[in-house]
Amino acid sequence: QVQLVQSGPEVKKPGSSVKVSCKASGDTFSSYAISWVRQAPGQGLEWMGGIIPVFDTTRYAPKFQDKVTITADESTGTAYMEVSSLTFEDTAVYYCARQSSYHYFYMDVWGKGTTVTVSS
Amino acid sequence: DIVMTQSPDSLAVSLGERATINCKSSQSVLYSSNNKNYLAWYQQKPGQPPKLLIYWASTRESGVPDRFSGSGSGTDFTLTISSLQAEDVAVYYCQQYYITPLITFGPGTKVNIK
Repeated sequence: QVQLVQSGPEVKKPGSSVKVSCKASGDTFSSYAISWVRQAPGQGLEWMGGIIPVFDTTRYAPKFQDKVTITADESTGTAYMEVSSLTFEDTAVYYCARQSSYHYFYMDVWGKGTTVTVSS
Repeated sequence: DIVMTQSPDSLAVSLGERATINCKSSQSVLYSSNNKNYLAWYQQKPGQPPKLLIYWASTRESGVPDRFSGSGSGTDFTLTISSLQAEDVAVYYCQQYYITPLITFGPGTKVNIK
């Protein structure tokens, strides 16, 4: 059974960047798309973007196009999501999730989430 | 973008009773060529990641109890919990994947015990 293991919590200052990792274990990493979903405190779920490692193609929600960079390392089965120019509004839990295939359909496996706190 | 709305925002149901959550999309998510509705439902308990319950509007994910069912087509969908259990207290989200990769979620419905 595949698991997605995310990196630990981060505290960052405004204007800095943060890079969160998501390591897949137990299944083929490259055959699926990996998405990143943000959840601000007390709020709902927001799709940020994703990557299909086998094709090394990325797609982003328009809101995050200039804010987020998603990459993947097939050799280690790890996806990364970097958020730049952090503001207080970027304080959130960031989840990686495996899409059911290499299409951006539904997400059947989720990481536990990485809490990013932006504080001065 | 497809905008998803859900109703109610929250509901309280007695143990063993039925809970019904509605989800509406701003445009149809039914793909006519394969007659599939591109809609999923998730459950999120406090402090946990979302969990996939239903996909293709009515297909239950493996391991999900059969008290959870999804129905609807086009723009109007329903998640039903036939007999609410204590462990079902959570927020439930619908998600469309008709316009990929521009996935969008509904705002969520909070389910509590009455």
